[in-house]
Parts: sequence; structure tokens; C-alpha cells
Amino acid sequence: GAVVSQHPSRVICKSGTSVKIECRSLDFQATTMFWYRQFPKQSLMLMATSNEGSKATYEQGVEKDKFLINHASLTLSTLTVTSAHPEDSSFYICSAGWGEARTFGSGTRLTVV
Amino acid sequence: ELKVEQNPLFLSMQEGKNYTIYCNYSTTSDRLYWYRQDPGKSLESLFVLLSNGAVKQEGRLMASLDTKARLSTLHITAAVHDLSATYFCAVDHMNRDDKIIFGKGTRLHILP
Repeated sequence: GAVVSQHPSRVICKSGTSVKIECRSLDFQATTMFWYRQFPKQSLMLMATSNEGSKATYEQGVEKDKFLINHASLTLSTLTVTSAHPEDSSFYICSAGWGEARTFGSGTRLTVV
Repeated sequence: ELKVEQNPLFLSMQEGKNYTIYCNYSTTSDRLYWYRQDPGKSLESLFVLLSNGAVKQEGRLMASLDTKARLSTLHITAAVHDLSATYFCAVDHMNRDDKIIFGKGTRLHILP
């Protein structure tokens, strides 16, 4: 089945630094990937849709200058959290698929100290 | 705007009992997903329901979809402790780039 590999699984960074999270589709080409954020004991909130070769589409209330998304190839999308602050600490999950199929990455636990 | 309402949000039940989780959504869609999430983990796909009247079963879990009522159910039969997890339904926003929107989740705690 389709596999989406997400790295790193866990990262701790200092406030003010930037962190990059990678999401790779291993056995299929993903023209579109989705980035979600999940706070403890809450649901997944869609942050943005990443489109290969074009600009990402951000959901309302998500700062595009803070959460930089790059989808430079059909198998790789990256999310960079710039100038991270403690309130950005969360579980970030990517997803890809086509038609009715959806696959999720294993998630990245970001802690900003 | 697509809204997905899930209830109950928390459920504590005894082993061996049956229960149902409900998922209502606000706009037309014919793709509905059920996922399981264990603490600290990502999502595990349980079911994809693609048409009105669809019913799928896997072990003690059975999911159904009524697109006319915009309602899906996840039924748990004779619950066992291993089913303790958070269950999410999610709906494909058919008109917007195939993005899927999640309900708030149901935290299921099964007491031995």
C-alpha cells in the first residue's frame, strides 16, 4: 500500500529558531499533500494544502510566512516552522493520496523551549 | 463551510458492551473516513465509505454511511480493552481540492 514517510518524528528546538519537517511519498507520486496540526487531546486541523510546482494554499488563520511549505517534487513536501515559539509546539502530520485513498505520515512532535 | 460533528466526544464503557459513535456532516459528500489514533501516534485507517448505504466491518467494528442524512456511524460490538483509543471521522470536502475535514474525535476508554 501507499506509504508516506515523515521525518523527524520528534524535535526539540529553541525559541526563535526554524525547524523543517519532511514528508515523502515512497511508492507513489503525490501532486498534493496536506499538512495538519494537532494539539493535545484535540482534533487534526488542516493547515495547508501543498501543491507540486505551485504555491501552497493555506487555511484561514494560518500564517503563510511562519509556516513555509515547499513541494518541489512529486515525492517530497516540506513544512518549515520559522521563528518558532512555544505556542507552535504541537504534533504535525502530513497526508497524501489520490481519489478516495489517503495515507498519513507518522507525525512530528515539535517542542519549542 | 464543511463542518463535521462527532458524538459522543468521550465514552467510557465496560468490556463486552455495544456502543455507537455518530458522525454528522454539513455539506454533500460521498467519501467518509474513520480513523483510529493511539496516544502519541499518527492515524490508522479503519474504513473508507464511498456510497450511500455502504457498510463495512472489520472485527468488532462496523461502519455505515447514509449520505442523505449526512450521517455515519461506527458501531462497536462486544468491546474489548484493546479498542481503547481515539476515533475520528473525516469527510472529503468534495469541492475543495479533495481535502478532508476531521470531527473532534471520540475518546473511547474500555474498562476491563
